[in-house]
Parts: sequence; C-alpha cells; structure tokens
Amino acid sequence: NAGVMQNPRHLVRRRGQEARLRCSPMKGHSHVYWYRQLPEEGLKFMVYLQKENIIDESGMPKERFSAEFPKEGPSILRIQQVVRGDSAAYFCASSRPGLAVNTGELFFGEGSRLTVL
Amino acid sequence: AQSVTQPDIHITVSEGASLELRCNYSYGATPYLFWYVQSPGQGLQLLLKYFSGDTLVQGIKGFEAEFKRSQSSFNLRKPSVHWSDAAEYFCAVGLGGSYIPTFGRGTSLIVHP
Repeated sequence: NAGVMQNPRHLVRRRGQEARLRCSPMKGHSHVYWYRQLPEEGLKFMVYLQKENIIDESGMPKERFSAEFPKEGPSILRIQQVVRGDSAAYFCASSRPGLAVNTGELFFGEGSRLTVL
Repeated sequence: AQSVTQPDIHITVSEGASLELRCNYSYGATPYLFWYVQSPGQGLQLLLKYFSGDTLVQGIKGFEAEFKRSQSSFNLRKPSVHWSDAAEYFCAVGLGGSYIPTFGRGTSLIVHP
C-alpha cells in the first residue's frame, strides 16, 4: 500500500503569491488532518477533514488559509497571498474511520516545505 | 486545559548510552498515547502506541514506553542508543471520536559518537 502522498515536497513562493499543497491519503482512509510545523516549534493542528466535509478547522488562521477534501482527488491546503511567516513544513496525516474514532492514530506524509521569499 | 508536555527540548547522549524522553499529559480521562519519530527532512513515523492493557509497550527500533497513570506520564526509553536514533521525537495523545490528536513540541535527540 502506498503511504500518505504529499506534493510538492518543496515549494518556493514570493510574497503575495498563492501556495497549493496536495495530500492523497492512504488507501481506505477518508479522514485527513493538516498540521503545520514551524522552526523550533512542534506540530500545530490546522484542520481536520472528511470527504467533502470540514470537521474541525479551529487551528486554521482566519484569513488566507483554506482546505478542502473533495469526493474525488486529493485534499488541498491553499494559502493565498503568502507572507514570510507562512514558511514552514506542512504535514498531512490520514486515518481510517474506525481507527480515527477509536484511537486517533495517524499516518503521516513526508511533508511539504514551503519557503516564502 | 488539556495539554501534552515534553519538558526537554534537546537531549544529548553518547552512543551506547541509555535514553529516556519524558512526556506528561493533562486530560480528564486516560487518553490513547503515541510516540512518533521524525528524521531530518522526513515525515513522522509511529514508534509505538498505548491503548489499554499492559502499561509497558514495545515499539519498533528497540524503543519501549511505560504508561504511568499516577504520574500522567508516558516516557520513552531505549537501553542503548545508536547514532541513527538522532531525530526529533514527538509524544501525542488522542481521545478518539472527533477529538484532534495533540502533539507535544518535540524533543531533539543528539547522539555523540
């Protein structure tokens, strides 16, 4: 089974541009979580999605950030008008419905590293 | 407030020495507990997990962790560290349901030859 696939692995954007990060969960997983890792900080939760639904976006900045997980295709984290402070590693994790409900165990991708110039 | 604390930001050990990384949590109920490892430039890999039962759990790469309810702790241990163990280690807790798994800030392990 392929693991959680994230692309691009590295993305460079200039201030004001848009960044789109993609995440394909493991086969059979329908729960997707996005986390952000800033330098010298831990993993901060951003958003939790199921197919076509945002379940919890309490960790998302109020402006410029959005996420979706359509019925077909990968989950996308979108950052509009990027600023230098958005430079970070963005990790996607997925879980099976039963596993997520029962335990919260997550399977992580290798991350997308965004650099804003 | 619910929280996960990893009090040590950096830990330095010599190769072959024993290792203990600390993790404390603050939750009303016993959560599900995890340790993940992140090698430089990589994603997070699950080392081990505790759901219930035996409070000493074995993981991959020779790691183990012990759940101590009285201390609200889930410390990670390894009897003899290898240079390849140098990485970032994250403790995490989950409660299931729609609860979002929460991570500690991580402990960076440095291994001296």
